[in-house]
Amino acid sequence: ETGVTQSPTHLIKTRGQQVTLRCSSQSGHNTVSWYQQALGQGPQFIFQYYREEENGRGNFPPRFSGLQFPNYSSELNVNALELDDSALYLCASSTDRNTGELFFGEGSRLTVL
Amino acid sequence: AQSVSQHNHHVILSEAASLELGCNYSYGGTVNLFWYVQYPGQHLQLLLKYFSGDPLVKGIKGFEAEFIKSKFSFNLRKPSVQWSDTAEYFCAVKLANTGRRALTFGSGTRLQVQP
Repeated sequence: ETGVTQSPTHLIKTRGQQVTLRCSSQSGHNTVSWYQQALGQGPQFIFQYYREEENGRGNFPPRFSGLQFPNYSSELNVNALELDDSALYLCASSTDRNTGELFFGEGSRLTVL
Repeated sequence: AQSVSQHNHHVILSEAASLELGCNYSYGGTVNLFWYVQYPGQHLQLLLKYFSGDPLVKGIKGFEAEFIKSKFSFNLRKPSVQWSDTAEYFCAVKLANTGRRALTFGSGTRLQVQP
C-alpha cells in the first residue's frame, strides 16, 4: 500500500461530458502528478501540482485541468470528453517536485462511449 | 523530446531462468533512471533507481540494473526469476537539472514466469 488513494476506481462517460477524478496523496507528500495510461502503453505525464499551483505540464490540451488543495489532495478535470480519453488515470505523490521517485495510486479507469 | 524504448513487449520464462529486459532512452544530457513494476492487481511501484555513481544498481527482490552511458541503456536483470516476478515492468527516465517535472515511461514489458 502506498497511501495514495484515488476515486472513483471505474467510471463510464459519454463523449462531450466532463469528468472529475480525485486523489489523496500519501502523508507527508506535497507534490502530486497525474499520468494517463492508455491500453498497452506506459504512463504519460499530464501535469504536476506543487503548493496548489501547476508546476509542469505534458502535451495535453487545456481541457485537461487540475487543482491541488491545502491538504495536498488533488483533482483532475477533463472537459469535452473524447473517445481517445478512455484510459487509466494515475495519480502519484512525492516528497519533492524534482524527484522521479513517485508513489502511485491504483488509478481511475475511464471509459468514454 | 526524449523517448524510452523497451523492445521486449512480452517475455515468457520458466522459474529459475535468468532475466534481462532491455531499456534504451534518447537524451544526451544527464538523466535519472528508474524501473517500476506493476504486479497483477496492484499499483505501480519503484523497483530501483539510478542517479549517479556506481552504474550497477541493486533494487528490491534481487533485481539489478546497469547504466551504460555510451549505449544510452539501463537494462534490468535478475539471475533467477520466480513465479512471483510475474508482472509488467516499466523503464522510466527523468531529465536531471532541467526543471522538467515529467517522468517519461517506456511502453512496458509483460513478464510471465511459468512454474
